[in-house]
Amino acid sequence: SQELEQSPQSLIVQEGKNLTINCTSSKTLYGLYWYKQKYGEGLIFLMMLQKGGEEKSHEKITAKLDEKKQQSSLHITASQPSHAGIYLCGAVRSGGSNYKLTFGKGTLLTVNP
Amino acid sequence: ETGVTQTPRHLVMGMTNKKSLKCEQHLGHNAMYWYKQSAKKPLELMFVYNFKEQTENNSVPSRFSPECPNSSHLFLHLHTLQPEDSALYLCASSQVDSGGYEQYFGPGTRLTVT
Repeated sequence: SQELEQSPQSLIVQEGKNLTINCTSSKTLYGLYWYKQKYGEGLIFLMMLQKGGEEKSHEKITAKLDEKKQQSSLHITASQPSHAGIYLCGAVRSGGSNYKLTFGKGTLLTVNP
Repeated sequence: ETGVTQTPRHLVMGMTNKKSLKCEQHLGHNAMYWYKQSAKKPLELMFVYNFKEQTENNSVPSRFSPECPNSSHLFLHLHTLQPEDSALYLCASSQVDSGGYEQYFGPGTRLTVT
């Protein structure tokens, strides 16, 4: 089965600093989703990547899918306390119905003011 | 109401109780999902309903019983649960024929089994 490894597991940064979160798959990614979750709450959709080399941005968050489609990175520029939360990547399962997602364990981000 | 709603938000139940979790989506989607989120584990897909038909059951114990009476409502009936079933249960919906497949999540029900 497809597994997603996220790194780092947790991250503490000072407000204003840039940071990167990685999501690595054991198999080719056919669609990669990034979500943000506040502790104990539901997931908020951030963006989706499908094509190798694709890059998308939303406000100060940029996500990329590498050419080989086995790794994605999420980059936050000039982090703010509002960016704090758990970031999860989810991947469309290959070889099956493409609306079922497998998720990584998440990266806990803390932004200190 | 907008998006995906879940009730109750918190639930404490004994191992012999029977309870139900409710999910409602107001997005006009045709697929709904139940996920379980436990500490330090990846989000686990439990059930998928596509056009009200159950299309996935990820080896979930029979003490969890889903019901999807229409494309907007999804229930998870619980009976004789175990303490290890304590977790955050998340409902999601999506439009599976749109090409995007992004899933929209509810706020979750925090379940504690005593």
